[in-house]
Amino acid sequence: EPEVTQTPSHQVTQMGQEVILRCVPISNHLYFYWYRQILGQKVEFLVSFYNNEISEKSEIFDDQFSVERPDGSNFTLKIRSTKLEDSAMYFCASSEMLNTGELFFGEGSRLTVL
Amino acid sequence: GQQVMQIPQYQHVQEGEDFTTYCNSSTTLSNIQWYKQRPGGHPVFLIQLVKSGEVKKQKRLTFQFGEAKKNSSLHITATQTTDVGTYFCAGLLNTGNQFYFGTGTSLTVIP
Repeated sequence: EPEVTQTPSHQVTQMGQEVILRCVPISNHLYFYWYRQILGQKVEFLVSFYNNEISEKSEIFDDQFSVERPDGSNFTLKIRSTKLEDSAMYFCASSEMLNTGELFFGEGSRLTVL
Repeated sequence: GQQVMQIPQYQHVQEGEDFTTYCNSSTTLSNIQWYKQRPGGHPVFLIQLVKSGEVKKQKRLTFQFGEAKKNSSLHITATQTTDVGTYFCAGLLNTGNQFYFGTGTSLTVIP
């Protein structure tokens, strides 16, 4: 069964450092997303991406965040200068359709900022 | 801002008992999805409801979308230990393109 894969599974970084989280969405999906989940809390939308551009972003997704699809398979989330409050599980998701499509989530990348 | 709340936040049940989680939105939703997240896992899609008043069943799980499309519920009959996890609703606004996840209900099933 096709799946969304994410790397790394866990990253520990110092405050102020740049972090790149990588995702390989399901190959025939067109819509890509990043969500985050602070431990024990709800899943929060960060950004959606379609046709090589951001289609929607939340207020959490400020100038410190960026997304990119550098090639035909990878979808990355970059945090330029990490803060303590960026510590969370970051989930990548993809869907075949917008608005009515099932979101397929990856296993997540746990980011710990010290 | 958009709020999607779920109650209860936590629920402990004896195996075999029923369980219900309720999802309430501050605004009308276009459709609603339900996800299950096992402890330490990622959200996994369960179902999508689109029509006002829609009811769908998956074995022991019954999903309902309110008439006003502002609330939804998930009911599990005769819980099993495999039902353990956090259940999230995710609502899509009429005017939006992204799903707002609810606060989740964490279910513990005591064998």
